[in-house]
Amino acid sequence: DAGITQSPRHKVTETGTPVTLRCHQTENHRYMYWYRQDPGHGLRLIHYSYGVKDTDKGEVSDGYSVSRSKTEDFLLTLESATSSQTSVYFCAISDPGHLRETQYFGPGTRLLVL
Amino acid sequence: RKEVEQDPGPFNVPEGATVAFNCTYSNSASQSFFWYRQDCRKEPKLLMSVYSSGNEDGRFTAQLNRASQYISLLIRDSKLSDSATYLCAVNMYSSASKIIFGSGTRLSIRP
Repeated sequence: DAGITQSPRHKVTETGTPVTLRCHQTENHRYMYWYRQDPGHGLRLIHYSYGVKDTDKGEVSDGYSVSRSKTEDFLLTLESATSSQTSVYFCAISDPGHLRETQYFGPGTRLLVL
Repeated sequence: RKEVEQDPGPFNVPEGATVAFNCTYSNSASQSFFWYRQDCRKEPKLLMSVYSSGNEDGRFTAQLNRASQYISLLIRDSKLSDSATYLCAVNMYSSASKIIFGSGTRLSIRP
């Protein structure tokens, strides 16, 4: 299995509070991603990073920000959590040196916003 | 139209049966294709890549039909442990950052 960890694995928070999720990899892969997965929607890309300090928006980026100060860490911040951000969040990594390179996922973080 | 579409299922088949899923994609220039397996409350895990000539891995066979823009996954002699959700993934723009995932097909194998 790819060396990807996420923390926390579960979190309950209240509407309006800031939340930060962490993704840590030991594979030295260049690309890192944050997805959310909800019933009926599948995996939706929030933000991704193509290098240290290089990030870009995905399909559902509103209400989220990211930072990547080191190759191994990618942080996702919910500035002011809302109930619609209750979801399962997956981090993924890839190293696009090969056309067939695909993404490998971390174990996920279950977030409940009350 | 979604860029990648799958029948959500569920497919409920008896142990030992053969089952097949399809996944259609919208971009004819898509370069590479994958099948993932996701168990309940777990992360998606890469099951296999899909090659142009088709490829097999044990009981699993993946096929690509570029003319009709779909990929397929065939599972032979299904086991109880095959029960999971199967996600297809399509690399549409020659960039790993542009992989689009289907919503998944749920498979349930009954004894």
